[in-house]
This record gives sequence, structure tokens and C-alpha cells, in this order.
Amino acid sequence: NAGVTQTPKFRILKIGQSMTLQCAQDMNHNYMYWYRQDPGMGLKLIYYSVGAGITDKGEVPNGYNVSRSTTEDFPLRLELAAPSQTSVYFCASSLGGPETQYFGPGTRLLVL
Amino acid sequence: AQSVTQLDSQVPVFEEAPVELRCNYSSSVSVYLFWYVQYPNQGLQLLLKYLSGSTLVESINGFEAEFNKSQTSFHLRKPSVHISDTAEYFCAVYADTGGFKTIFGAGTRLFVKA
Repeated sequence: NAGVTQTPKFRILKIGQSMTLQCAQDMNHNYMYWYRQDPGMGLKLIYYSVGAGITDKGEVPNGYNVSRSTTEDFPLRLELAAPSQTSVYFCASSLGGPETQYFGPGTRLLVL
Repeated sequence: AQSVTQLDSQVPVFEEAPVELRCNYSSSVSVYLFWYVQYPNQGLQLLLKYLSGSTLVESINGFEAEFNKSQTSFHLRKPSVHISDTAEYFCAVYADTGGFKTIFGAGTRLFVKA
């Protein structure tokens, strides 16, 4: 199993550009999550999904959108990138809410 | 609402010395508790977890944590650290409130010196 995969690993965006961060898992997990990690701030939940077709906002959803058309994929869309979105983004998945989360390797995003 | 506080942002320690990384949480309902470890330039991976049963849980690489309900704590300990334990450690809590969100602490950077 590949586990949780994320692409790209690193990206530089100009202010106002858009992009999609890809996330896929091959563990048949129903739950998937997007976090951002900023130095000294831990992980902040952006969006999560409890199954295909079901998504909900986390703590910091502004400026982002998600979709979940399949169990495997959970892309994160950034519209109109801003410098405040410079961060490391992690995708994760789990069998259920209180279960262990499995993380991808992360996407480092720089908005200039 | 639940919250997690990791009391130390950085913990420097010499190799083979003991270490304790502190974690306190607040929640009005029953909780599940986790410690995750993040090595440089990697994602987080589970170190150990408490779901129910024995309040002392152990990992395969010598770490242990004890769930203390009265003090709402879940401190992580290791009696003798190695250079390879240098990493960032995150405490996390999932509260059974009907929601599906796990809250992570801000992290503690453990730096093991030779």
C-alpha cells in the first residue's frame, strides 16, 4: 500500500493564482482531512470529509475549497492565493473519527 | 470545546537522559488521546494512543504515556533518549461530542544532544 500520497511536494504561487493540491489514499478510509502547519502553531484543520460526497469546514476554511467525489481522492483547491496561505499542507485519512490518522508527506506552498 | 496545551515548545536533553513532554487537555466529555511524532520534512506518524482500558500506554520504541483523568493530562515519557528521537511531538485529543475533529497541540520540539 502507498498509504496517503500528496502532490506536488513544493510549489511557488504568485498572489491571485489558483491551484489544486492533490491527495489520495489506498486504505479504503472513509475519513479524510486537510491540515495546514505553521511554525509554532501546530496543525489547523481546514476541511474534512466523512465519506464520498460529504465535506465540512474545519477551523480555518476561508480561501479554500474541497470536493470528495470518490473514497480515494480529496483535493484541496486554493482560489486567489494570498501570502497568508504560505504554509505546509498535510492530508490525512482514518477509518473513523477517533481512529489513528495516517498522514501524507506534505506539500510546501510559498505564495509571493 | 476541547483544547490541547503542550506546555513546552522546546525540550533540549542529553543522550541517554530521561525526558518528559507535557500535555494537558480540556474537555467535558470522554476523550481519546494520541501522541504523534514528526521527523524533519515528513508527515506525522502515530507514536501511541489511549482509547480505553489501562491508563499507561507504550510505544514500540520505548516511549510511554499515562492518561490522568483527574489532572486532565497525557504526558509522554522516555527513560533514556537517543539522538534518533530528535523530532517534533504532537499531543492530540478527540472528544466524543458527536463531531469528527481531532484537535492537535502546538507541538514540542525534542532536541537530543550528544
